[in-house]
Amino acid sequence: EADIYQTPRYLVIGTGKKITLECSQTMGHDKMYWYQQDPGMELHLIHYSYGVNSTEKGDLSSESTVSRIRTEHFPLTLESARPSHTSQYLCASSDAGTGNEQFFGPGTRLTVL
Amino acid sequence: ELKVEQNPLFLSMQEEKNYTIYCNYSTTSDRLYWYRQDPGKSLESLFVLLSNGAVKQEGRLMASLDTKARLSTLHITAAVHDLSATYFCAVPMWLTFNTGKLIFGQGTTLQVKP
Repeated sequence: EADIYQTPRYLVIGTGKKITLECSQTMGHDKMYWYQQDPGMELHLIHYSYGVNSTEKGDLSSESTVSRIRTEHFPLTLESARPSHTSQYLCASSDAGTGNEQFFGPGTRLTVL
Repeated sequence: ELKVEQNPLFLSMQEEKNYTIYCNYSTTSDRLYWYRQDPGKSLESLFVLLSNGAVKQEGRLMASLDTKARLSTLHITAAVHDLSATYFCAVPMWLTFNTGKLIFGQGTTLQVKP
């Protein structure tokens, strides 16, 4: 069973606040990903990492930033949240040993007022 | 540009009926993944298809992969309400395979009515 965790699960904040969405996995996977998804819509890759100290921007431009200091941890930060950031954020991880199958966390639903 | 296209995007069907969801992709790949997403939830892995001709079945769902045709199908047999969800297929970006990146289809929302 995949063990990947996200906190908080739900977050409602005001415009201009700084937030960090946490993502941790206990599987030792080297690759981790952040997706943004509006309800009922496609997934958009916004950041990925294929190892410690390596991060890349994804296909969808995002004002968020990420870091990968430890294998198991891949937090996403928004310095100044705006209503346009309202969305669901999904974290995933994978490994060559899994055939690159991605395992998803439960998601964080962010609402910016 | 790698594209993954699902058809149909929305499917309303009655219980006990059979139907097939199609996933076409535009580049070489020897593997494909199917995921399920319930409303407001995250993605759950359904099937991993790792070779041409691969077939996997779980309950009323059966997935297959034809790498030569660049096509995967997800067949639903005798649908029940519990299968109502959105189904995504995904293909690795072959040229950047080491990154593990996947390209997802648009998703097919299945609604099973009594």
